[in-house]
Order: sequence, then structure tokens, then C-alpha cells
Amino acid sequence: DQQVKQNSPSLSVQEGRISILNCDYTNSMFDYFLWYKKYPAEGPTFLISISSIKDKNEDGRFTVFLNKSAKHLSLHIVPSQPGDSAVYFCAATSGGSNYKLTFGKGTLLTVNP
Amino acid sequence: GAGVSQSPSNKVTEKGKDVELRCDPISGHTALYWYRQSLGQGLEFLIYFQGNSAPDKSGLPSDRFSAERTGGSVSTLTIQRTQQEDSAVYLCASSPMPGTTTNEKLFFGSGTQLSVL
Repeated sequence: DQQVKQNSPSLSVQEGRISILNCDYTNSMFDYFLWYKKYPAEGPTFLISISSIKDKNEDGRFTVFLNKSAKHLSLHIVPSQPGDSAVYFCAATSGGSNYKLTFGKGTLLTVNP
Repeated sequence: GAGVSQSPSNKVTEKGKDVELRCDPISGHTALYWYRQSLGQGLEFLIYFQGNSAPDKSGLPSDRFSAERTGGSVSTLTIQRTQQEDSAVYLCASSPMPGTTTNEKLFFGSGTQLSVL
């Protein structure tokens, strides 16, 4: 049973436009959410996170939105750049086991010049 | 280097052989994690070390899998009698200290691509 779901395996956007990556979760105990970015042949790198006490967190071109009632979060990248092309993983954890992240399957973002 | 280092980067082995995967975490990081990513899947938690002890081994798929950590630093993941379903990218990560929000910001290595023929 997948507790973190990224239903779009891939997304293609034009440079300069907004990229929106979605993530749904089923475990109501999750209270901290993260996005990781992964380039081929590299390990994932942390991008941005959000606590369940917030509904938005912004860092430069990246904004994460959390809708707890819908158990849904999204990552917005604006404006998108070709260097943003990568696999994006959504991950979640709960206070009781904050060392263990539960990851989605990832979404491959392609930003076309 | 300053990052998490894993070796080998690629390992091809025959079914039934044993393999050892190594992880050198970032110096000073007390927490170390092993994850794996099978083809088309998300990252799957395997085991967590705090210092040299492993409070949570719940993700290890079978008793063919074991891991140890020595000196609060290097960790080795051992897979005995490998099977084709063990083929995956094995990722190691470290973090400074558990129990804080920074803990969740794991620093990953580049992984070991294991192929079992």
C-alpha cells in the first residue's frame, strides 16, 4: 500500500512557464513533507520542505503548498528552467519516526528550452 | 570529499553470490540510512543507524540482508545469496542528528547500482 503517491510519472513544460508537481498521501500521521530532486547517476538532493502547521513554504523559485484536509501537496516551480529537468520525489515523515522517510515514485520533469 | 561516498558505483554479480556495499557518510553525521530504489519504484527505507546501533531494521526485505556500522562512520550493507529481485540502486544517506527538523534533510550518496544476473 503506497502511502505517498505521485500519480504523474512525467511532466513536460516550456522554459519560463510554471511547473506543478503533485503528491498525495494517505497516512494522516505524516506531519512533515519534503521534496527531493534527483539528476541521473546522482543521489537525491533536498529541495524544500513544509511542516503540517503551515500551508505554504517558499524558497526562491520553489513553493510548496500543503492541503491537509485533502492530504495533498504540490511543488510549484516558476519560472521553470532547463536545469530544473530532473526526477522530483515527494517524501513524508511523522514525528514519531522522523528518521524514516516514505517516498513517492517520483515525477520526471522535462523543461524544454 | 565533503559528501556521502558509496562504493562500488556499479556491481554486477551472479545469482547466489554475496555482495558488500560500502557507505562513507559525511564526517560528524551521527545518523546513517540505507534506502533502495528498484526500477520504477520510489525510494524504499531499509535500515537506520544512530551511531553504531540500528534502532530500526524494519525495512530489510529478508534475512539475507544485513548491515553494520563501525566507529560511528563507515557502514556496510551485505546481501547474501543474491537474487534477481535484489537488483536495484542502493542509496546511503546521512544526517547530522535525529530528532530535529534538519534530520529529515538527508544527504544522499550517488548510490550503488546492483545488477544480479
